[in-house]
Amino acid sequence: NAGVTQTPKFQVLKTGQSMTLQCAQDMNHNSMYWYRQDPGMGLRLIYYSASEGTTDKGEVPNGYNVSRLNKREFSLRLESAAPSQTSVYFCASSPRGASTDTQYFGPGTRLTVL
Amino acid sequence: DQQVKQNSPSLSVQEGRISILNCDYTNSMFDYFLWYKKYPAEGPTFLISISSIKDKNEDGRFTVFLNKSAKHLSLHIVPSQPGDSAVYFCAARVLYSGGSNYKLTFGKGTLLTVNP
Repeated sequence: NAGVTQTPKFQVLKTGQSMTLQCAQDMNHNSMYWYRQDPGMGLRLIYYSASEGTTDKGEVPNGYNVSRLNKREFSLRLESAAPSQTSVYFCASSPRGASTDTQYFGPGTRLTVL
Repeated sequence: DQQVKQNSPSLSVQEGRISILNCDYTNSMFDYFLWYKKYPAEGPTFLISISSIKDKNEDGRFTVFLNKSAKHLSLHIVPSQPGDSAVYFCAARVLYSGGSNYKLTFGKGTLLTVNP
């Protein structure tokens, strides 16, 4: 049982390049989330998917797109990377996304945009 | 507008003593509060939570206190151990997206260092 896995662990991009961050969970959770963590900023929600087939914007969605490919996988795409998107990205999942469910986080992807 | 505030970026305590991490919030619609612990190069892990209808929740060495009138919560770790050294995030839950989903709002975190 791997929990929440993220690939890649590290990535360096040039401004304008695109890439997709992958996330998968094997806990049969309904809800999945993408956060970014910047120094001194805590965790900020980019997008979330309350259930398979649905996605919604979080606090900081600009410059990102997401795809809930199936119940297990939730990807985050940067179409044209900018230096302001340099950050550590965390994917998380929770059983229902409501009530008192806690969120389980992946190990993170450290992205640098030059 | 930062709705969840952890005003101490860092805290250092001696092994065996009590660690007290504080968190303040501004949104009275928050109905559930959580603490997460994060080690370097790892994702945050859930530690303990408390509903807004309670004022205390205890789990082993960890106790969370909630003062709704002051919009303040605190995490107590007794006794502190070197393995507790990590960044601790306070998070609060609120209804979102027209009242159909919940989301978490995180504080900036407090780095706890427990010295042997």
